[in-house]
Amino acid sequence: GESVGLHLPTLSVQEGDNSIINCAYSNSASDYFIWYKQESGKGPQFIIDIRSNMDKRQGQRVTVLLNKTVKHLSLQIAATQPGDSAVYFCAENMDGSYKLIFGSGTRLLVRP
Amino acid sequence: NAGVTQTPKFQVLKTGQSMTLQCAQDMNHEYMSWYRQDPGMGLRLIHYSVGAGITDQGEVPNGYNVSRSTTEDFPLRLLSAAPSQTSVYFCASSYSTSGENEQFFGPGTRLTVL
Repeated sequence: GESVGLHLPTLSVQEGDNSIINCAYSNSASDYFIWYKQESGKGPQFIIDIRSNMDKRQGQRVTVLLNKTVKHLSLQIAATQPGDSAVYFCAENMDGSYKLIFGSGTRLLVRP
Repeated sequence: NAGVTQTPKFQVLKTGQSMTLQCAQDMNHEYMSWYRQDPGMGLRLIHYSVGAGITDQGEVPNGYNVSRSTTEDFPLRLLSAAPSQTSVYFCASSYSTSGENEQFFGPGTRLTVL
């Protein structure tokens, strides 16, 4: 079936470095993608989204890149901080519906 | 605004017991949904609603019922709990039924079925 998955289950980075979290999706008809951050014991929190007619979108310290040719999505976090430590999920919206399909998540650990 | 609230925060049930997980939002959002999250996994959609009086099934609806009598509330019912339903449950809402909008999540209910 259709799925959204992540390449790396755990990513450890030094405080101040940039982080890159990757995600692959399999449905070429998907037209909307979201990155969520989930801290321990909390619900997912929206970080940034991107539509399929875009290749790149920037927020505050975060950038999402979309490569539709290889069905790949990435989240870049600049100057990673200890507060960025969390699990990050990509989610895929299929065919304009309101059903989000989530990947399995990547844990980001920030070393002081 | 309180956003999306869920009660209880924790719950332990015995197999066969029933219970209702509560979800409420004060943002006048039309779309609400329930997800479950199992260890090391992403969220899977259980049921969703695009407005009062309208509900539909998600990926994993078996064993769960929902209703949407008001815009604000979207309770999730377990009629006969099973150990396989041990999970963390999240409720979410968004202002539009269009997929391209932010979903706001509640803090979750951690359910254990013995």
